[in-house]
Amino acid sequence: QAVLTQPSSLSASPGASASLTCTLPSGINFVTYRIYWYQQKPGSPPQFLLRYTSDSDYLQGSGVPSRFSGSKDASANAAILLISGVQSEDEADYFCMIWLSSASMIFGGGTKLTVL
Amino acid sequence: QVQLVESGGGVVQPGGSLRLSCAGSGFTFTRYPFHWVRQAPGKGLEWVAILSYDGVSQNYAGSVRGRFTISRDNSRSTLYLQMNSLKAEDTAIYYCARDMYTNGWGGIDFWGQGTLVTVSS
Repeated sequence: QAVLTQPSSLSASPGASASLTCTLPSGINFVTYRIYWYQQKPGSPPQFLLRYTSDSDYLQGSGVPSRFSGSKDASANAAILLISGVQSEDEADYFCMIWLSSASMIFGGGTKLTVL
Repeated sequence: QVQLVESGGGVVQPGGSLRLSCAGSGFTFTRYPFHWVRQAPGKGLEWVAILSYDGVSQNYAGSVRGRFTISRDNSRSTLYLQMNSLKAEDTAIYYCARDMYTNGWGGIDFWGQGTLVTVSS
């Protein structure tokens, strides 16, 4: 079973940028995969942030601020969620997800973002 | 607005059974596939199962295959998860989640609030 690797925690200061990574093991080509990002605050269900495949295949969730954006780093086989101008309300857990051709879904372990 | 409301969670002994329900409203329920996703206390998300819009196709995570059954009643706009032979490791919040694609499947755009299942003697 493929595993999506996310750093367990990340800290950022208000107004700074935060880059959250989601890495797939080598041998699985990220390029064609749709990467989904979710935000989860304590006591609440996850919320869809965005879907990123490429710059031409991109979907921002309804009502999601434009400071949240997605990209990929092909050299690292990683997807990136960038939060520009971090705000205190962005403190949450962030999960990446991919849908496999075997008709199953895998999530990364999640990154806890702390806004200092 | 889109609403998904789960019910049916509770405390059950190991080896027991439970059926979860998820009522959808605010959208055309029959057009969408649905998932169940669970989250053990303090842990990450684990996908459990998917069911196509018409209830014909489904798939399960290996950890629940053969024990859990996903189904739907489109006339009632309701999704179900029948859970049998429950184990302690099935303890989690179970979320009902809508797939975002009406012409396929593969991503979640809306989640219910979740229902807690505790398997304990």
